[in-house]
Amino acid sequence: DGGITQSPKYLFRKEGQNVTLSCEQNLNHDAMYWYRQDPGQGLRLIYYSQIVNDFQKGDIAEGYSVSREKKESFPLTVTSAQKNPTAFYLCACSLDQGSGNPIYFGEGSWLTVV
Amino acid sequence: DQQVKQNSPSLSVQEGRISILNCDYTNSMFDYFLWYKKYPAEGPTFLISISSIKDKNEDGRFTVFLNKSAKHLSLHIVPSQPGDSAVYFCAASAGGTSYGKLTFGQGTILTVHP
Repeated sequence: DGGITQSPKYLFRKEGQNVTLSCEQNLNHDAMYWYRQDPGQGLRLIYYSQIVNDFQKGDIAEGYSVSREKKESFPLTVTSAQKNPTAFYLCACSLDQGSGNPIYFGEGSWLTVV
Repeated sequence: DQQVKQNSPSLSVQEGRISILNCDYTNSMFDYFLWYKKYPAEGPTFLISISSIKDKNEDGRFTVFLNKSAKHLSLHIVPSQPGDSAVYFCAASAGGTSYGKLTFGQGTILTVHP
């Protein structure tokens, strides 16, 4: 069953802790992305990766880090430096970054700071 | 600076009628546009896209129109069904290596009444 899997679905973090959100895809897509959605707002790009061992900052990368050691995996770490981490996080992938390739999203992960 | 705007936060339509969702953009470098449908606490589902070389693209009940001179696109759903009730996001990307970097609008809540 092909798709994008994010885990965990719900995560609670204490102040000052780092947490890592998992994203795995078996679609054999080259490009992967992390977006964040806040209530009543659109999605904003955190980081993206076009190929293994390469990634670029998006519009709101501060306080986040990523790695792309394998094609199918693109984990996101929310560090203690992220001032307002409570949000809905979405991982996505696309065949490549060429025109005409839609981006497909996972089911999302809720992160709440307690 | 909101480069992609959905000025209607909500839209209510009767079942069987047409739903028209609108989106405006300011960045003239955008050349690929997508519409996504999203339910609460789920990832967005890709609906339909259009390249800037076209002015119309159809897929079943969904049609997207692009007016480049006005920097405006719209999604038509005909006929509307109660299952179409969701939040609809338009998104845009620029050319070259930016294709996968989507800029999203704030979303429009569509409610289709039986």
